[in-house]
Amino acid sequence: NAGVTQTPKFRILKIGQSMTLQCTQDMNHNYMYWYRQDPGMGLKLIYYSVGAGITDKGEVPNGYNVSRSTTEDFPLRLELAAPSQTSVYFCASESTKDSKAFFGQGTRLTVV
Amino acid sequence: AQTVTQSQPEMSVQEAETVTLSCTYDTSESDYYLFWYKQPPSRQMILVIRQEAYKQQNATENRFSVNFQKAAKSFSLKISDSQLGDAAMYFCASPLNAGNNRKLIWGLGTSLAVNP
Repeated sequence: NAGVTQTPKFRILKIGQSMTLQCTQDMNHNYMYWYRQDPGMGLKLIYYSVGAGITDKGEVPNGYNVSRSTTEDFPLRLELAAPSQTSVYFCASESTKDSKAFFGQGTRLTVV
Repeated sequence: AQTVTQSQPEMSVQEAETVTLSCTYDTSESDYYLFWYKQPPSRQMILVIRQEAYKQQNATENRFSVNFQKAAKSFSLKISDSQLGDAAMYFCASPLNAGNNRKLIWGLGTSLAVNP
């Protein structure tokens, strides 16, 4: 059972470059989330989705975009990378039955 | 707005002893869940325990248990017989449901050290 798969695990970007963080889950969860975790801090919600075709902004959406064309996939796009986006990014999916969230292993992104 | 507060940035415990991590929250919801997640150095977020607010009985998962005080909006995590592998960041979280607006609200975490 794969759960939530997030790629890549590490990435270094130059300022102004773009990239997509991939996230896929095989639990048929409707709810999916993208978080960032800065050093010594908790999780901050970037974007979330309550189902295919539906996305909404979280606390810190600026500089990011998402799409949800299928139930399984929820990619996060960074268009013009900035040093402030250096962080660890987590994708999660959530069961509507019991609200338990399952996380990917995280992506450590450094923008230089 | 709903908030989750963890007032202990760092805690330490001797191996085999018991430690309690505190969490308070503020919600206007009548039915909700509360969670404790563990984040070891591997940075994987792992669900430790879940409490359903409408249940008066405190949740228990092996060495982990909660002290849920609904009126006081308190949700503390007790770790018994602490093991070296329990060393991690612990986060308290609560989902917020408001129509189609659904997200987890997270505390800032408590760093737990386990001393041999």
